[in-house]
Amino acid sequence: AQSVTQLGSHVSVSEGALVLLRCNYSSSVPPYLFWYVQYPNQGLQLLLKYTSAATLVKGINGFEAEFKKSETSFHLTKPSAHMSDAAEYFCAVNFGNEKLTFGTGTRLTIIP
Amino acid sequence: EPEVTQTPSHQVTQMGQEVILRCVPISNHLYFYWYRQILGQKVEFLVSFYNNEISEKSEIFDDQFSVERPDGSNFTLKIRSTKLEDSAMYFCASSPWDFEAKNIQYFGAGTRLSVL
Repeated sequence: AQSVTQLGSHVSVSEGALVLLRCNYSSSVPPYLFWYVQYPNQGLQLLLKYTSAATLVKGINGFEAEFKKSETSFHLTKPSAHMSDAAEYFCAVNFGNEKLTFGTGTRLTIIP
Repeated sequence: EPEVTQTPSHQVTQMGQEVILRCVPISNHLYFYWYRQILGQKVEFLVSFYNNEISEKSEIFDDQFSVERPDGSNFTLKIRSTKLEDSAMYFCASSPWDFEAKNIQYFGAGTRLSVL
């Protein structure tokens, strides 16, 4: 079955520390992978995308993600967290049809 | 930068009433979508729309729901007789036409629907 799993519904990191948000998928076809961010009371903003080009993808606001086929993972990282990074982050996958399948989301809290 | 716009931002309605949620997709996009997010839950696909017809829909999208592109710019979601469980944030999204970019969906800010 095709699915998306985000480990950790809440992640807290100190300002300046590494951010690591995990996403794993299960798919029988090569997927297209995305990370979206949702700031409070706002919509979903595309952070970055993997569409079968380079496996290390750079996005906006200093975030990047690496597609690892052997691990079926697409974890999101940022070397140094900033207070403005506090938001909910969603991993989403297109399994070759029309729709996006979203993970359950990870709420990122930044500790001053 | 072009963006997807949704109106209203918040809609309050009585159970059993009809509601229409409106979206203006990005102007050169050809694929349109509705998703919903019940409070505290994940974002769920409802329906996709291309070339003036539904191309895919989820099991959530039953006979109470319909979509329409009444003119060249608007894309609407109608719920005929709202239920309490329809309370959610509804997101509209659109995608451009080319094969690679087609899979990139751009989302609006959402309409929060509260059914009382």
